[in-house]
Amino acid sequence: ILNVEQSPQSLHVQEGDSTNFTCSFPSSNFYALHWYRWETAKSPEALFVMTLNGDEKKKGRISATLNTKEGYSYLYIKGSQPEDSATYLCASSLQNDMRFGAGTRLTVKP
Amino acid sequence: DTGVSQNPRHKITKRGQNVTFRCDPISEHNRLYWYRQTLGQGPEFLTYFQNEAQLEKSRLLSDRFSAERPKGSFSTLEIQRTEQGDSAMYLCASGLSGVLGYTFGSGTRLTVV
Repeated sequence: ILNVEQSPQSLHVQEGDSTNFTCSFPSSNFYALHWYRWETAKSPEALFVMTLNGDEKKKGRISATLNTKEGYSYLYIKGSQPEDSATYLCASSLQNDMRFGAGTRLTVKP
Repeated sequence: DTGVSQNPRHKITKRGQNVTFRCDPISEHNRLYWYRQTLGQGPEFLTYFQNEAQLEKSRLLSDRFSAERPKGSFSTLEIQRTEQGDSAMYLCASGLSGVLGYTFGSGTRLTVV
């Protein structure tokens, strides 16, 4: 059974601040690490999928890193905007299913 | 294709009633997943289909829960004799074998009163 932990649980930042969240996961039986962004009343939206130790992915102002040996991933948001407000979920997957953390709820104040 | 579609978006039901939710996946996706999310928690895996075969079920899926995917297209999730603890967001996702990641629907929010 996978146990994925995310921190912090919630975060309030001012517009323009840069921020980061942590996802930790069991490093044994690792297959892939996923980040999703979930806005209220919408579908969770896939941000990144990473598989290799040392992977770094970037999408606009958002980037993520992966350390499979120690079992953690960081998600960074540079220059946060109010539209970045959402819950950010990470999930560790084996081949057939994903196990999610509880998410980090980000609120960006104008 | 408009993505993964779930119906209804919201369902309020009285305790003891049966409810059924529907998920229409992306048409070319052969894998379909159901997750449940309660307040303050991440989505919890319930069950998984590859085509019409239900390949894995979580222990969370009690005898009151049943899921089907006839013909390997849409899927239904039925909860019999609902309990207040069943109140949650039920998410459906679809994917392709050999391709990492899924596409999620917007979910069905169930409230049992």
